[in-house]
Amino acid sequence: QQQVKQSPQSLIVQKGGIPIINCAYENTAFDYFPWYQQFPGKGPALLIAIRPDVSEKKEGRFTISFNKSAKQFSLHIMDSQPGDSATYFCAALGPPGGGSTLGRLYFGRGTQLTVWP
Amino acid sequence: ETGVTQTPRHLVMGMTNKKSLKCEQHLGHNAMYWYKQSAKKPLELMFVYNFKEQTENNSVPSRFSPECPNSSHLFLHLHTLQPEDSALYLCASSQEIRGRLAFFGQGTRLTVV
Repeated sequence: QQQVKQSPQSLIVQKGGIPIINCAYENTAFDYFPWYQQFPGKGPALLIAIRPDVSEKKEGRFTISFNKSAKQFSLHIMDSQPGDSATYFCAALGPPGGGSTLGRLYFGRGTQLTVWP
Repeated sequence: ETGVTQTPRHLVMGMTNKKSLKCEQHLGHNAMYWYKQSAKKPLELMFVYNFKEQTENNSVPSRFSPECPNSSHLFLHLHTLQPEDSALYLCASSQEIRGRLAFFGQGTRLTVV
């Protein structure tokens, strides 16, 4: 069972457009929602993250919108640029288990974004 | 660079070979992870080490054997792999107590022939 569902699988926009990537989850114990950006040949890099007590977080051109009641969150990229072309992953952090303090990150399947010049 | 270095970057091995993947983090983090990334699938957590102790084994086949000699180094020993094990293997580390901030290495692209 997939813990975090992400859509769309791929997205193509023109430069300056605002791509939106959506994620949904079911487990209300998730308490941290990061987004990762991955370029070809690189590992995922943390882009921006939000906690469920906040409805929106903005960092530069990247904005997360969070709807706790709907159990959904989304990434918006303002004024998108060709350099933003990458694969984006949403994730959710679950509670610790097995005597550890570490939570487990559950990832979506990823969205391949292409921004045309 | 994220401070997490993986070697080798690419590896081709036969099904009867034994090889090892290496991960080193220069961030002073206490937790280290192995993930498997396959096309069109979510990242799959394989193993977690916290302060050198394995805290999670996500039902990984025994042909994958992790080793964490200290908080800075993590290995993944591979033997008698199958072609379906071909994937990008990612190492990550985190410091914060819940593991919120995970930093990933660039990965090892493994091909099993």
